[in-house]
Amino acid sequence: AQSVTQPDIHITVSEGASLELRCNYSYGATPYLFWYVQSPGQGLQLLLKYFSGDTLVQGIKGFEAEFKRSQSSFNLRKPSVHWSDAAEYFCAVGHASGGSYIPTFGRGTSLIVHP
Amino acid sequence: KAGVTQTPRYLIKTRGQQVTLSCSPISGHRSVSWYQQTPGQGLQFLFEYFSETQRNKGNFPGRFSGRQFSNSRSEMNVSTLELGDSALYLCASGPDSGSALFYGYTFGSGTRLTVV
Repeated sequence: AQSVTQPDIHITVSEGASLELRCNYSYGATPYLFWYVQSPGQGLQLLLKYFSGDTLVQGIKGFEAEFKRSQSSFNLRKPSVHWSDAAEYFCAVGHASGGSYIPTFGRGTSLIVHP
Repeated sequence: KAGVTQTPRYLIKTRGQQVTLSCSPISGHRSVSWYQQTPGQGLQFLFEYFSETQRNKGNFPGRFSGRQFSNSRSEMNVSTLELGDSALYLCASGPDSGSALFYGYTFGSGTRLTVV
């Protein structure tokens, strides 16, 4: 069965510092990988996705993620964090089921940004 | 265009009661999925509907059910509520089952259900 692990429950960074959020997945086939962000009181917003091709993918809001098959990882990065990036971040792996695709989410990483 | 609309935003129910939550997808979207989000279990998939048919169902008891109407609006129902059903229920819509994965699901803001 597929699974997603986000090892860090909370991450605290200073505004302007770089950020890396870790994500490890377990999936037997080629994974479809996603990062979503959830602001307080809001639903999830897609930041970026990986299906195939270039292993470094660019997303919205200046985020990028790198797929490393050998490490089963899909870490999210941002070179300079803004206070508005404070939110909950979810990594997900999509798997085929019943003629559709269902994402399985990690438990999330809460990002705290200090001024 | 309008996003995914979930109603109501907040709901308080008593144990043993039943509840119905509503989700209106983005216009033109035919796939609707439901998720339960709790601090203890995180985001858990409930079910997915496409063109009024349930395509997938998560590992939840039969008290949780759903349906989709011909206009793609969806409802989920929870009968005989338990304290543990307190959660944020999120609905997500996509153009169709396959491209929802490619383009990413669009989520609503959720319904916060509190069972007392």
